[in-house]
Amino acid sequence: DIVMTQTPLSLSVTPGQPASISCKSTESLLHSDGRTYLYWFLQKPGQSPHLLIYELSSRFPGVPERFSASGSETDFTLRISRVEAEDIGIYYCMQSRQLPYTFGQGTKLDIK
Amino acid sequence: EVQLVQSGVEVKKPGESLKISCQGSGYSFTTYWIAWVRQMPGGGLEWMGIIFPGDSTTKYSPSFQGQVTISADKSINAAYLQWTSLKASDSATYYCARYGRGMDVWGQGTAVNVSS
Repeated sequence: DIVMTQTPLSLSVTPGQPASISCKSTESLLHSDGRTYLYWFLQKPGQSPHLLIYELSSRFPGVPERFSASGSETDFTLRISRVEAEDIGIYYCMQSRQLPYTFGQGTKLDIK
Repeated sequence: EVQLVQSGVEVKKPGESLKISCQGSGYSFTTYWIAWVRQMPGGGLEWMGIIFPGDSTTKYSPSFQGQVTISADKSINAAYLQWTSLKASDSATYYCARYGRGMDVWGQGTAVNVSS
């Protein structure tokens, strides 16, 4: 299985400040079709997860522009340009390059 | 509106069987894969498996193969996750999610509590 490792596991951010989360995979997520099958989700407290970013860096419709993502074959980053109070929750990366699909451990973001 | 609506909270005893459901609406149910994801209390997300309702092709994570059965009934736009003999360690919240541009639509989750 491809193992997804996120860092940090938790972070506390002052509103208006940036934040970034790293995700590393044990194998390349770049497919021969040219797409990188890496996704980012946010699970707000008491809610189902929801999709933020698909295929490495595409923002899902409705996701604020302050969220961006980048990376290469095995190293990925989610960035929030200016954290807002509504961004609290647990962020997960996930790969669907290879079965079984696998999630990172999650990164808990809270507000200072 | 595209949505997945899951069945309600379940309280069961060890050894009992269970089948939970995920009802899709607002889109062509037979043309998108449906995934099941487990979240144990206080834990992270675990991908269990995926089914294509159009032909019921199913793929399981090795961690869940043989422990659960994923199925679908395309005539009523429903996907299912079932157990034949529950264990206390099956206590968790289970989510279904549509696999479109990634897992882009999620159900509200079904909490399963297995206790004697």
